[in-house]
Amino acid sequence: EPEVTQTPSHQVTQMGQEVILRCVPISNHLYFYWYRQILGQKVEFLVSFYNNEISEKSEIFDDQFSVERPDGSNFTLKIRSTKLEDSAMYFCASSADRGVNEKLFFGSGTQLSVL
Amino acid sequence: AQKITQTQPGMFVQEKEAVTLDCTYDTSDPSYGLFWYKQPSSGEMIFLIYQGSYDQQNATEGRYSLNFQKARKSANLVISASQLGDSAMYFCAMREGGGSNYKLTFGKGTLLTVNP
Repeated sequence: EPEVTQTPSHQVTQMGQEVILRCVPISNHLYFYWYRQILGQKVEFLVSFYNNEISEKSEIFDDQFSVERPDGSNFTLKIRSTKLEDSAMYFCASSADRGVNEKLFFGSGTQLSVL
Repeated sequence: AQKITQTQPGMFVQEKEAVTLDCTYDTSDPSYGLFWYKQPSSGEMIFLIYQGSYDQQNATEGRYSLNFQKARKSANLVISASQLGDSAMYFCAMREGGGSNYKLTFGKGTLLTVNP
């Protein structure tokens, strides 16, 4: 079965550094998402992306965050200047369409630790 | 108000028995989808089952079934014949159209432990 691939699986960075989390969505999917999960808490929506632009973003997704689809396969999340509270598991997801019945396929996540 | 409420932080079940994980939701949108995902200790999010708001019958996928009670706004997950590998975090989630722009909203999850 096709899958969403995320790299790296773990990322450790110093506070204030920039990080880029990478994702390869399923090839024929058109809608892309980033979610995060702080340890022990629920999975939170960050941003959705379609047709090379952001469809929706949450209040968490402030100016420190950006997303990009630099080529036909990759989808990246950049955190410009990381803070301690950015430590979390970051999930990329994709879906073929955006209807209420469309399931999201998730990657295995990138565990980000900000020191 | 919480969109998705999972009132059971943790549940225990004996191997081979059935278990029900509770989920209630809140929406005014007539069209919505309800999903259950499993998150094992390794961290990945695995899709289990889907129920549409207009579906007349409860969804089933192998050992998973969804007890959908629309009037009560509940979508409980039933796992039959539990296995040790079912031990994981289980998340209920909802996808709405309209103003929510189809994003998937998760509950806080239920940690299921299957005892041998």
